[in-house]
Amino acid sequence: DAGVTQSPTHLIKTRGQQVTLRCSPKSGHDTVSWYQQALGQGPQFIFQYYEEEERQRGNFPDRFSGHQFPNYSSELNVNALLLGDSALYLCASSLPADTEAFFGQGTRLTVV
Amino acid sequence: RKEVEQDPGPFNVPEGATVAFNCTYSNSASQSFFWYRQDCRKEPKLLMSVYSSGNEDGRFTAQLNRASQYISLLIRDSKLSDSATYLCVVNRAGKSTFGDGTTLTVKP
Repeated sequence: DAGVTQSPTHLIKTRGQQVTLRCSPKSGHDTVSWYQQALGQGPQFIFQYYEEEERQRGNFPDRFSGHQFPNYSSELNVNALLLGDSALYLCASSLPADTEAFFGQGTRLTVV
Repeated sequence: RKEVEQDPGPFNVPEGATVAFNCTYSNSASQSFFWYRQDCRKEPKLLMSVYSSGNEDGRFTAQLNRASQYISLLIRDSKLSDSATYLCVVNRAGKSTFGDGTTLTVKP
């Protein structure tokens, strides 16, 4: 049983560019959440997708957007990258209720 | 004030020691609670859920006090492999809020 998979694992982008990160949830999970983790901090909630709709959103600007596909996989898009967007981006899948989330290995984004 | 607060540590303890981590949360409507473990440069992994009745998994005991909005994790007989960052997580209506973690280093 494949767990949560994310791609790519590492990425370097230039300030002002756009980036798309991808996530496939754990088998049987239909809810995908995205988090940003800066060095020395806990993961910060970006948003959650369920039934192809954004269900919840954290305090992130509109430059951060997402999508969920019918197969439950998801993308995170970040436009107009800033140096401060450099972080580990984590995808977690779960069931819709408040159950535990399973995380992918993350995408480490560096903006230069 | 952060919604979930943890003592960042670091906690440096010898093998075999007992160590306790605390976490407080500000939103009384929070519904479910977890402890995650995160190794350096890796993803968080679920350690255990936390219930008001308290729950134990081997050397690990978690406790929730809803009245005080306080969560704890106790690790007995620490092993070198317990060295990691421990993240307190609070869920409400599908949104998970993480603390910034408490770093534990277990030394021989």
